[in-house]
Amino acid sequence: GQQVMQIPQYQHVQEGEDFTTYCNSSTTLSNIQWYKQRPGGHPVFLIQLVKSGEVKKQKRLTFQFGEAKKNSSLHITATQTTDVGTYFCAGPPTGGSYIPTFGRGTSLIVHP
Amino acid sequence: DVKVTQSSRYLVKRTGEKVFLECVQDMDHENMFWYRQDPGLGLRLIYFSYDVKMKEKGDIPEGYSVSREKKERFSLILESASTNQTSMYLCASSSGGARGYTFGSGTRLTVV
Repeated sequence: GQQVMQIPQYQHVQEGEDFTTYCNSSTTLSNIQWYKQRPGGHPVFLIQLVKSGEVKKQKRLTFQFGEAKKNSSLHITATQTTDVGTYFCAGPPTGGSYIPTFGRGTSLIVHP
Repeated sequence: DVKVTQSSRYLVKRTGEKVFLECVQDMDHENMFWYRQDPGLGLRLIYFSYDVKMKEKGDIPEGYSVSREKKERFSLILESASTNQTSMYLCASSSGGARGYTFGSGTRLTVV
C-alpha cells in the first residue's frame, strides 16, 4: 500500500534558526496537506497543495509540492517558540482512494 | 469555524467492557473519520464514513466498529476493550474540498 515517510522524526533548533521537514510518498499524490499538532493538542490543518511544483507561503512558513508530486517540504524561517509541535503531511494517491495517508510527523523543538 | 466535538477528553475502562466514543460535527460535512494516534506511529485510520449509514474500513479496523445514524454524528465502538486499545482517539470531518480535515480534541482512552 501507499507509504508516506517524513524526515527527520525530531528536530531541535535554537530560536531564530530555520527548520525544514521533508515528506516523501511511495506513490504519486493528487494533493498534499500539512497539519500542525501542538503538544497536548490535536492536528490543525495548515494548507493544501495540488499542482506540480506549487509553492505557497504563510508568513514564515513555505510549503512546496514536488514536480513529480511524490514529495513535499515545509520550511520555517527564523523559528519561534510558538512553532513548537509536530508537523504532519498527508496525501491521497492519484487515481485511488480520496483518503490521505498521513506521515508519522516531524516533531520540532525550539530552544529559547 | 467548523467544530468537531468528542464527548470525552479522558476515559478509563476495564478490559472486556464495551466502549462508545462519540463525535459530533456542526458543518454538515459528508465525510467523517476515526483515527488512533500512538507515539511514533502517527495517525492510523480505523474507519471512515462518507454518508449516513455508510462505513468503510480503514487500515486498522480489527476490534472496532462504527455507527453513523445521523449526518452529524459518528460513533466508534470497541466491542470488547483490550489493553492494546489504550490510545488517543481522534475524530475528524471533511467536506472533501481544499480545507483538509477538522479534528476533534481527542479522547485519551486507557484500558486497564
